[in-house]
Amino acid sequence: EADIYQTPRYLVIGTGKKITLECSQTMGHDKMYWYQQDPGMELHLIHYSYGVNSTEKGDLSSESTVSRIRTEHFPLTLESARPSHTSQYLCASSETGTGGYEQYFGPGTRLTVT
Amino acid sequence: KNQVEQSPQSLIILEGKNCTLQCNYTVSPFSNLRWYKQDTGRGPVSLTIMTFSENTKSNGRYTATLDADTKQSSLHITASQLSDSASYICVVSDRGSTLGRLYFGRGTQLTVWP
Repeated sequence: EADIYQTPRYLVIGTGKKITLECSQTMGHDKMYWYQQDPGMELHLIHYSYGVNSTEKGDLSSESTVSRIRTEHFPLTLESARPSHTSQYLCASSETGTGGYEQYFGPGTRLTVT
Repeated sequence: KNQVEQSPQSLIILEGKNCTLQCNYTVSPFSNLRWYKQDTGRGPVSLTIMTFSENTKSNGRYTATLDADTKQSSLHITASQLSDSASYICVVSDRGSTLGRLYFGRGTQLTVWP
């Protein structure tokens, strides 16, 4: 079982609200990732981080923002939620190095914006 | 374009039966291929990981094969159990990326009936 945690697990919120999805890992991994996944579809990378104070946008354009102030913590923020943001958000982490080290996934946050 | 295609999209089998899931990829340069199991509402969990030189790898009732020449992989599940009901995702990593970029298939949704 991977030591990576996400809260909340489920969130239903109204349009226009600001939300923060929390992700933390206790494995000391430098690399962390946020993915978005719709039902029956593949995971899409929306943000990643190589380490503290490093954040980059992924393949899928997202209106969300991330921060990496501490190694173990990688929160994702939506300033103004919209129904189009309804999706599952998965956080992951991996060791440092090339060639695709295994990514360990959190349980995900199911976000519904009404 | 780096892609991962999986078939079938969904599969229903009876408990105790065997099944095989397929994955074709075009990711290059290839680093490794993983099969993940994702239970509904959870994050993916790694089942097997295979590098270029490996043809087969087993993890309990799960056996993965890789043909790097034809860029195909399969996941064989033996003596299925009700708990095998999940989405099985093929994930391929490219070798040249310091990020360890992963390319995800859409998954095969397996349902095991009693």
